[in-house]
Amino acid sequence: GAVVSQHPSRVICKSGTSVKIECRSLDFQATTMFWYRQFPKKSLMLMATSNEGSKATYEQGVEKDKFLINHASLTLSTLTVTSAHPEDSSFYICSASLAGDLFFPDTQYFGPGTRLTVL
Amino acid sequence: QKEVEQNSGPLSVPEGAIASLNCTYSDRGSQSFFWYRQYSGKSPELIMFIYSNGDKEDGRFTAQLNKASQYVSLLIRDSQPSDSATYLCAVKYGAGSYQLTFGKGTKLSVIP
Repeated sequence: GAVVSQHPSRVICKSGTSVKIECRSLDFQATTMFWYRQFPKKSLMLMATSNEGSKATYEQGVEKDKFLINHASLTLSTLTVTSAHPEDSSFYICSASLAGDLFFPDTQYFGPGTRLTVL
Repeated sequence: QKEVEQNSGPLSVPEGAIASLNCTYSDRGSQSFFWYRQYSGKSPELIMFIYSNGDKEDGRFTAQLNKASQYVSLLIRDSQPSDSATYLCAVKYGAGSYQLTFGKGTKLSVIP
């Protein structure tokens, strides 16, 4: 149980294009989803917190117009990197918290990640 | 600034030994504590969580929490080469938020 998928797992794009990454909770409903970025040999950096049906909350320093987040349903959140540049190349990971879990509401389950390379 | 501190390592232990990973946190109001394992190039995988002071055991893993000292640890008994990974400590601060604050991780290497 508590499986989170991401698509695509790897994407290479040209500078200036937009890339959409999907995050799905496969066997549970996720009230809250999180988007992280991780550069090589660095720690996870939280980019934004996404709640179903409402606007995402972005961390300081993260451009909301560049990293568009949509959480349209309890099982799907998307991150769109707009006008991508080489410095956006990174490992993007989503996670989801189990909605309605009265005992362990804080646990985050991670997707497998999406490796973005911008040429 | 809420912080989670971990020794970056690498921590090297021989196969079969006990690996001890440590984590300290800055906010006494912290409620929930998590250990994740991350293999190189992969996303984090939940190992254990702990909410109450004391020890919590799950197979070869034991999490220990001491809220008075603001300290949480993870013990791995009978360490295996497959345990070689980076271990992330994560802390949830306060109620009403699902956000976790992650430490930078400790790299563990189990030597056959």
